[in-house]
Amino acid sequence: ETGVTQSPTHLIKTRGQQVTLRCSSQSGHNTVSWYQQALGQGPQFIFQYYREEENGRGNFPPRFSGLQFPNYSSELNVNALELDDSALYLCASSPPTNTEAFFGQGTRLTVV
Amino acid sequence: RKEVEQDPGPFNVPEGATVAFNCTYSNSASQSFFWYRQDCRKEPKLLMSVYSSGNEDGRFTAQLNRASQYISLLIRDSKLSDSATYLCVVNKGSNYQLIWGAGTKLIIKP
Repeated sequence: ETGVTQSPTHLIKTRGQQVTLRCSSQSGHNTVSWYQQALGQGPQFIFQYYREEENGRGNFPPRFSGLQFPNYSSELNVNALELDDSALYLCASSPPTNTEAFFGQGTRLTVV
Repeated sequence: RKEVEQDPGPFNVPEGATVAFNCTYSNSASQSFFWYRQDCRKEPKLLMSVYSSGNEDGRFTAQLNRASQYISLLIRDSKLSDSATYLCVVNKGSNYQLIWGAGTKLIIKP
């Protein structure tokens, strides 16, 4: 158990809809990163939040957006869902010392 | 060219054998390196960090060659439970924005 929890664990959405995924970081961790892992691929970095501000972004379109809250939990929002958005979405939290990333169990999103 | 490249496999290996994976990375400024293990439909889990001096954890040995920009993982006396996908991961900076290889699938056969 890493102490990082994600919800929901599974989700099915229709193309064009919007989705919000949630991540509760480990206690004391002020950095949260989100990754997308398509089937058969390695995770791809979406973005990172540090103390409620975006702290880096990967090569994802603006319809992928996020938030971090004062308690350091985080949301990933995806608008106008496309079939290719079907993937495992992983959240990782890191402590202020940035010595390790701790992953949640992921949310498996299927877009039909 | 991908930033982190791995042979996707699968590597089919008999139980008890030794198996080695390599991974190359393109950014010479990368700061830290890791091997993660991922079981089918589960989240990745940290197997070990990789240091230039080499590090060992039981049956697992990891090595980093900065000059050639490659990372290796050696598994000795392989067990059936070692069957998984092994992901090579690079941290370019100090803030854990990780760059991942696509993974190497390992199948250990009885």
